[in-house]
Order: sequence, then C-alpha cells, then structure tokens
Amino acid sequence: EAGVAQSPRYKIIEKRQSVAFWCNPISGHATLYWYQQILGQGPKLLIQFQNNGVVDDSQLPKDRFSAERLKGVDSTLKIQPAKLEDSAVYLCASSPDDRSVYEQYFGPGTRLTVT
Amino acid sequence: AQSVTQLDSQVPVFEEAPVELRCNYSSSVSVYLFWYVQYPNQGLQLLLKYLSGSTLVKGINGFEAEFNKSQTSFHLRKPSVHISDTAEYFCAVSFRQGGKLIFGQGTELSVKP
Repeated sequence: EAGVAQSPRYKIIEKRQSVAFWCNPISGHATLYWYQQILGQGPKLLIQFQNNGVVDDSQLPKDRFSAERLKGVDSTLKIQPAKLEDSAVYLCASSPDDRSVYEQYFGPGTRLTVT
Repeated sequence: AQSVTQLDSQVPVFEEAPVELRCNYSSSVSVYLFWYVQYPNQGLQLLLKYLSGSTLVKGINGFEAEFNKSQTSFHLRKPSVHISDTAEYFCAVSFRQGGKLIFGQGTELSVKP
C-alpha cells in the first residue's frame, strides 16, 4: 500500500512570494490533515478535511493560507504572501473513515524556507 | 485548554542502556494518547497508542508506554536502546476519534556507542 505522498519535498522562496504544496493521501482515506511543524516544536494542525468538507480550520491563518480538497482525494495548501515565520515543515496526514481506527498516517513533509 | 508537555527536550543515552521519555498532558475529558517517532527528513511514524483498557501498551521496535490517569502521564520506555533509535519522539493526544492530534514539543533521543 502506497503511503501519503507530498511534493515538493523542499522549497525556498522570498518573503511576499506565493507557494503551493500538494498532498495525495492513502487510497480510500476519507480524512486529510495539514500540520505545520516549526523547527524545535511539535506539529500543529492547520486544517482537517473529511472527504471534501472542512472539519477544523480554527488555526489556519486565513488571511494568507488557503487549502482545498476539491474531489475528496488529493489536497493543495497555499500560502500567499509568505512571511519569514512561515518557514517550517508542512506535513500532510490521512486516516480512514473508520471509527475503529485512530491512527493518522503521515507523509514525508515539505520543508519551506522563506528568506 | 488541553496541552501536552514533554519534560525533556534532549535525552542522551548509551547503547543498550534503558531509556524513559516523559510526557504529561492536561485535559478535563478522556483522551487518546500516542507516541510518534520522526527520523531525520522523514514524516512521523506511530510507535504506539492508548485508547482504553490495559494501561500498559506495547508498540513497535520494543517500545512500551504506561498510561497513568492520576498523574496524567504517558511515559515511553525501552529497556535497551540501539543506535538506530536515535530520532525525535513526539507525544500526542486526541480528544475524539478522528480528531486532531495535539503534540508535545518533542524529545530528541541520542543514542551513543
């Protein structure tokens, strides 16, 4: 079974530029999460999708961050314009829509550096 | 507010020695508890989880953890570590099935020969 795929793996941009990250979850997984992991900290949830609907985006900086999951499969996270403090690893995770399963499966992440 | 505290940011240990990574959480409701491991330049991998039942849970790679409700702790242990266990370890809680994970700040385990 293929894992969670993310691209690109690394991205360097200047502040005020825009950037987009892509995530393809494990096949059949209904729930998709985007986490932000700043160096030296644990991951923090940005947004959670159930199929193509948003479940939780309370910690998403909506003035600059946006995310979509149009067909309930892959997802895109965008930052526009980027700030220095957005430098972080962006992790995508997915989990089945199964009340007996609690595990989230993580992708390798995209490391963003904003200069 | 719910939170997770990992009491040690770095834990150096010699190979074959035992290790304990400490985790405390704050919550007024029932929680599900997890330990994840992150190797350099990789995503997080689940080591073990506590959902209910026996308070001692066993995971992959010889790790185990004990849930202590009275002390609101979920410490991770391994009786004998290997060089390959060198990684960042994260404790996390969730408050409902399928809900977001709230992570601690991580503990860097460094195993020395």
